[in-house]
Amino acid sequence: DIQMTQSPSSLSASVGDRVIITCRASQSISGYLNWYQQKPGKAPNLLIYAASTLQSGVPSRFSGSGSGADFTLTISSLQPEDFATYFCQQTYNTPRTFGQGTKVEIK
Amino acid sequence: EVQLVESGGGLVQPGGSLRLSCAASGFTLSDYWMSWVRQAPGKGLEWVASINGDGSQKDYVDSVKGRFTISRDNAKNSLYLQMDSLRVGDTAIYYCSRGGVIGGRLANWGQGTLVTVSS
Repeated sequence: DIQMTQSPSSLSASVGDRVIITCRASQSISGYLNWYQQKPGKAPNLLIYAASTLQSGVPSRFSGSGSGADFTLTISSLQPEDFATYFCQQTYNTPRTFGQGTKVEIK
Repeated sequence: EVQLVESGGGLVQPGGSLRLSCAASGFTLSDYWMSWVRQAPGKGLEWVASINGDGSQKDYVDSVKGRFTISRDNAKNSLYLQMDSLRVGDTAIYYCSRGGVIGGRLANWGQGTLVTVSS
């Protein structure tokens, strides 16, 4: 199975900060990497797919990059509604594994 | 508007069975792979199973193989997860999601249904 490792596991940031979350796969997954946002008590919401394509309706302050085994999710200017947990997922093969999550908290 | 509504969760004893359902609307179900993803209390997301549009291809995480069965009825706009031989470790919120093909994405999610396995 492909292991997905996110870092950091949690971070504290202020509104307006630039936030970068990384996701590393245990082997190359080409560009088959998705990012999801989950708020407490809610279902996950797709933000980025195929490593860098913004899902329709998602604000442009979110961006993704990377290929092979190393990927990043960047929030260019953190907004109050962005405090949540973020998960990466590889869909290169089965099982379609998720990272352990990165919780973004208010500083 | 795409809508996914799960049902069928509840409390069950270890070794018991449950059948989850997901009612889909706002799109043509047969055009899409569909998936189940679960989340244990306070934990991360775990992909459980996916099925292709006509039900001919199914994938499972190893921990549920031989115990869970994913299926669909496109005429009824419904996705199912039959869960047998349930274990305490299967306790989680189970989400239905549109998508799941290799190389794809989980674009829409239901609100989830809670399954609790406990004696």
